[in-house]
Amino acid sequence: QKEVEQNSGPLSVPEGAIASLNCTYSDRGSQSFFWYRQYSGKSPELIMFIYSNGDKEDGRFTAQLNKASQYVSLLIRDSQPSDSATYLCAVHSTGSARQLTFGSGTQLTVLP
Amino acid sequence: NAGVTQTPKFRILKIGQSMTLQCAQDMNHNYMYWYRQDPGMGLKLIYYSVGAGITDKGEVPNGYNVSRSTTEDFPLRLELAAPSQTSVYFCASSYSQTPGSGNTIYFGEGSWLTVV
Repeated sequence: QKEVEQNSGPLSVPEGAIASLNCTYSDRGSQSFFWYRQYSGKSPELIMFIYSNGDKEDGRFTAQLNKASQYVSLLIRDSQPSDSATYLCAVHSTGSARQLTFGSGTQLTVLP
Repeated sequence: NAGVTQTPKFRILKIGQSMTLQCAQDMNHNYMYWYRQDPGMGLKLIYYSVGAGITDKGEVPNGYNVSRSTTEDFPLRLELAAPSQTSVYFCASSYSQTPGSGNTIYFGEGSWLTVV
């Protein structure tokens, strides 16, 4: 069974700090990796996706992928209270018509 | 632009009752999905469809049924509701199978279901 593991948290960081969220996955055939943000009582929204090893930056967000270690992370720079949410890691394997396998999420709280 | 619309938003069912969660998308997406999310957990795929008339099981299909008679609609049927089906249900859609590169998955706002 394909698994995606995340630390459930909660993770607390002060405003302005860097928040680091981590995710590991079991399926070595995984090709695409996604980070979703989910506010309490709301639906998930896509923040970033990454396909290739290395870093991908988008504004205050950086996704990092290491396929050899089966590890993907999300860094949030200059964290804001509005970043407080649950962050879901999701993994897609090539050829799988069943779309994404989600981790259980990491709850992030940014303290003013 | 409505996107993905789910109804109802909240529902309380008694054990053994049946109901249908409605889902419609207006983006002409081929792929549609039903996920459930239990408290503190990630999303689990119940059923998915790659186009009208074609459906397939996901990770947790037991106790559910779906149909896809049109591109727009993908209702989820709960038969003989059980307390274990208490969850939040999300319908989603995407243009193609490959997520990312603009073909992202769009989620509905969710349906909160309680079985008592």
